Amino acid sequence: DAKTTQPNSMESNEEEPVHLPCNHSTISGTDYIHWYRQLPSQGPEYVIHGLTSNVNNRMASLAIAEDRKSSTLILHRATLRDAAVYYCILRDGVSGTYKYIFGTGTRLKVLA
Amino acid sequence: DVKVTQSSRYLVKRTGEKVFLECVQDMDHENMFWYRQDPGLGLRLIYFSYDVKMKEKGDIPEGYSVSREKKERFSLILESASTNQTSMYLCASSLGDRANEKLFFGSGTQLSVL
Repeated sequence: DAKTTQPNSMESNEEEPVHLPCNHSTISGTDYIHWYRQLPSQGPEYVIHGLTSNVNNRMASLAIAEDRKSSTLILHRATLRDAAVYYCILRDGVSGTYKYIFGTGTRLKVLA
Repeated sequence: DVKVTQSSRYLVKRTGEKVFLECVQDMDHENMFWYRQDPGLGLRLIYFSYDVKMKEKGDIPEGYSVSREKKERFSLILESASTNQTSMYLCASSLGDRANEKLFFGSGTQLSVL
């Protein structure tokens, strides 16, 4: 399984943009890049995913490098409710594997 | 919205007891998963199931078994609970559309084995 590398923690000021990086140098052509986040005392929740092109939804944007070896989750205006652990995961979109390998993620602290 | 419901939020059991953790999803999802989460170790996959009565081992299946008799229900069984199984247990489900698959998680069960 291809692995991802994320910083252990990051800090941001409230109402400022946040860029959460993820390295995945061994990504394969059929791997989708998924992001999940886990708020305190809750199970993880889906944020966004993409394959090659940048993606936007109501929660965040996903910027994928041209060589796909890294990606960045962008929160456009961080709020206190965005304080969570963010996980970057590679997910094979073709083969029969059903595994999601989560790792330890990035703990985001949002300062008021 | 998809709902994944875990039967207990907190559970305290004694060493050697047989423990059942239940998970139910209401969106007719094909796949169901059990993870455990420990500080510093992230989420680790115990078992998953891609169909009724089908199961596959994840990364840490030792000491656990699972049962999926109905599509909506996936049970995690600790045959003889031990203190090193004290952990947060998270159940998840997904539709099975591989390209656009999303995981939906329950709120978790914090299990303490004394």
